[in-house]
Amino acid sequence: GAVVSQHPSWVICKSGTSVKIECRSLDFQATTMFWYRQFPKQSLMLMATSNEGSKATYEQGVEKDKFLINHASLTLSTLTVTSAHPEDSSFYICSARDEGATGGETQYFGPGTRLLVL
Amino acid sequence: AQKITQTQPGMFVQEKEAVTLDCTYDTSDQSYGLFWYKQPSSGEMIFLIYQGSYDEQNATEGRYSLNFQKARKSANLVISASQLGDSAMYFCAMREALLTGGGNKLTFGTGTQLKVEL
Repeated sequence: GAVVSQHPSWVICKSGTSVKIECRSLDFQATTMFWYRQFPKQSLMLMATSNEGSKATYEQGVEKDKFLINHASLTLSTLTVTSAHPEDSSFYICSARDEGATGGETQYFGPGTRLLVL
Repeated sequence: AQKITQTQPGMFVQEKEAVTLDCTYDTSDQSYGLFWYKQPSSGEMIFLIYQGSYDEQNATEGRYSLNFQKARKSANLVISASQLGDSAMYFCAMREALLTGGGNKLTFGTGTQLKVEL
């Protein structure tokens, strides 16, 4: 299957700082990527849909000014958590569809980024 | 109402036995897709199997099969010959009608924690 990478895998930061997380599709191009958030022992919640060359589409209740998304190329989307606070500590995971593949329905996920804000 | 329901928070199965993980869904769309993902303790989401709403045959991928009962709106995952490495959280997810522009949002269930025992 298609491979999606995320960087960094772990980040610890001080309250008030900003953190950037990268999501890359390694062997395919993705016009659309997705950012999810997962709290411990809970399901994945979609935060936003990242669209190459246009603005991201945010889910209800997600602050677009706090979670900045940029989809600068067909293989890279970034999520920046601005002015992070302890309640932003979570597991952030991205996904992308290999639209050119047979059965291009499937979303492939990155390995996730664990964010801890102190 | 929940769109994806996984009623089993946890399951035990003995090694080499088969296990069924339940998933029911709710949608008014005619065209939709159903997915199962595995999430080990490391956090990455591993795609297991996909079933399209128009697929007449149940999907199979190696030891994984999807018992798709459209009238009952169920999409249970069957794992045959369980292995210790199958111990993980399993999520059922649904993609509803494709949106213009490539949107392909997934809605996840709450997950089932599977533990394979010797």
